[in-house]
Amino acid sequence: DTEVTQTPKHLVMGMTNKKSLKCEQHMGHRAMYWYKQKAKKPPELMFVYSYEKLSINESVPSRFSPECPNSSLLNLHLHALQPEDSALYLCASSQGEGLGNTEAFFGQGTRLTVV
Amino acid sequence: AQKVTQAQTEISVVEKEDVTLDCVYETRDTTYYLFWYKQPPSGELVFLIRRNSFDEQNEISGRYSWNFQKSTSSFNFTITASQVVDSAVYFCALSEAAGGSYIPTFGRGTSLIVHP
Repeated sequence: DTEVTQTPKHLVMGMTNKKSLKCEQHMGHRAMYWYKQKAKKPPELMFVYSYEKLSINESVPSRFSPECPNSSLLNLHLHALQPEDSALYLCASSQGEGLGNTEAFFGQGTRLTVV
Repeated sequence: AQKVTQAQTEISVVEKEDVTLDCVYETRDTTYYLFWYKQPPSGELVFLIRRNSFDEQNEISGRYSWNFQKSTSSFNFTITASQVVDSAVYFCALSEAAGGSYIPTFGRGTSLIVHP
């Protein structure tokens, strides 16, 4: 199994809603990541979890709250988002911390629209 | 300052043409990693290749080939005999050490359109 599975694939939410994005991998990877990608832009790193602990937060607003319940799961809790937060949210995993020195696997992403 | 430059925003070719996607990077580190990823319309980022800074060997994988030249800080990607299924956005990425981790910085991407 070399898949990173993200749910849902599409999400439309209002600015007062609370929702969560989910990411799952069963490759035994110990590093997991959230990226945000706006249309026609490259992915931008948001968070890195290493061994289930948050190791990097790229100054992401608190309306995005990551959670790593176990080594296979990564969640991104969303609350009071703004329309400019609409984007493709990508989850990735790799064997160890840092995508650079090991092959990284990406999910298909969740297309989020905030209305 | 942009660390990874993909000067070609969009390339349009006809099927069976060869096409080269350029990537120029900037780093002061002696140890770093370079990547190419493919992003089809479905959105998933597909890993294509990883190169470390100590390995300048060029690589060929089927119709894909990569030319890594440290002297010009370039890591170019060539698709031979392009096919419609190659249509996608291609990202070059550089990974440098940051607090013990290697986190990649992506270039802006090159959109490749292959016409039948």
